[in-house]
Amino acid sequence: GQNIDQPTEMTATEGAIVQINCTYQTSGFNGLFWYQQHAGEAPTFLSYNVLDGLEEKGRFSSFLSRSKGYSYLLLKELQMKDSASYLCAVRDKDNQGGKLIFGQGTELSVKP
Amino acid sequence: KAGVTQTPRYLIKTRGQQVTLSCSPISGHRSVSWYQQTPGQGLQFLFEYFSETQRNKGNFPGRFSGRQFSNSRSEMNVSTLELGDSALYLCASSLSGRQYEQYFGPGTRLTVT
Repeated sequence: GQNIDQPTEMTATEGAIVQINCTYQTSGFNGLFWYQQHAGEAPTFLSYNVLDGLEEKGRFSSFLSRSKGYSYLLLKELQMKDSASYLCAVRDKDNQGGKLIFGQGTELSVKP
Repeated sequence: KAGVTQTPRYLIKTRGQQVTLSCSPISGHRSVSWYQQTPGQGLQFLFEYFSETQRNKGNFPGRFSGRQFSNSRSEMNVSTLELGDSALYLCASSLSGRQYEQYFGPGTRLTVT
């Protein structure tokens, strides 16, 4: 089966850096994804990692370690608009399509 | 380019009824996936369609079904509604070869009373 764990809630200060961790157990692996979801809105794609290492995209970076079943999303220079739920999702090795298994999400609150 | 659209946005049904939800993907996207989102279970995968064929299926009962048309528009149907089916139903579309980057629609909020 598949299991994805991430913290339920996190709080950080505007301008700071926050790291949201995600651990996963899957029957095979074919990619890890991060999505952002603001309250009342649809999720939006942030990043995709299939190989080990760090992927940087502006203020957001995502890291993957396949041997450890571990990923993190790093948000720098936090802004109030970054307050949202951050969803970690994985795709298993037999799946080349769009079937993603999501974690429960981490609710991030950015305080002034 | 227009985003993913879903209709209706809100729906109230009673137990035992059936419902059909519609999703129009971004132009050129041939893959459409459906998800159910609830506060307790989070986002759960229902099924994925590609070129009118179901490519992947989640762990939902047979009351949940879907289909895709030749223009890539997709519908999902839930029969014999239960209170627990109350949820936000999201569809997402993606380009062939880029299924990792899914674009979600605004969702249909279904309330079963």
